[in-house]
Amino acid sequence: AQSVSQHNHHVILSEAASLELGCNYSYGGTVNLFWYVQYPGQHLQLLLKYFSGDPLVKGIKGFEAEFIKSKFSFNLRKPSVQWSDTAEYFCAVNARTGRRALTFGSGTRLQVQP
Amino acid sequence: DVKVTQSSRYLVKRTGEKVFLECVQDMDHENMFWYRQDPGLGLRLIYFSYDVKMKEKGDIPEGYSVSREKKERFSLILESASTNQTSMYLCATKGSTGSTYEQYFGPGTRLTVT
Repeated sequence: AQSVSQHNHHVILSEAASLELGCNYSYGGTVNLFWYVQYPGQHLQLLLKYFSGDPLVKGIKGFEAEFIKSKFSFNLRKPSVQWSDTAEYFCAVNARTGRRALTFGSGTRLQVQP
Repeated sequence: DVKVTQSSRYLVKRTGEKVFLECVQDMDHENMFWYRQDPGLGLRLIYFSYDVKMKEKGDIPEGYSVSREKKERFSLILESASTNQTSMYLCATKGSTGSTYEQYFGPGTRLTVT
């Protein structure tokens, strides 16, 4: 079974600071990788996804993530955060074969101070 | 746009009550999922369904059951609600039978069991 670890539970940054949120997964086979975001009072929405190809993927609102297969990692980055990026961020994985549901990490709460 | 609706945003029930949470999607997706979201634990899969009348247990099915009589509707049932089922419940859908498609989430139902 797959599992996902997000080591940063709560991150506080000032506007314009750079962001990197860690995500590591454990699974022996091929996976699809996702980052979801949940803004206060809103439903979960997809930030970006990786299925295959270029390991550096770009998502909405200036976010990007890099898949490093050797490290089982899929870290989320943004060069300059804004107050509107305040939200909870979830990394998720599903295996290419077998169970169709996502396995989520525990989430990282990002607070951006103006 | 995919639309996933959940019957209630907030629900308060008493211990021992039978509780129904409804989820409806309008995109003819085969796969539907129920998760619960708790602080520090992320999203955990309760049940999912890949077709009408088909269901599979997720990671935490105890105390829950589901029903899928029509393709667009997936219900989560708490047979006898308990206080440890106080949580945010999220429904999600996914198209196709493959694994390379994203899940779309509803707004969530925040259930309080007193």
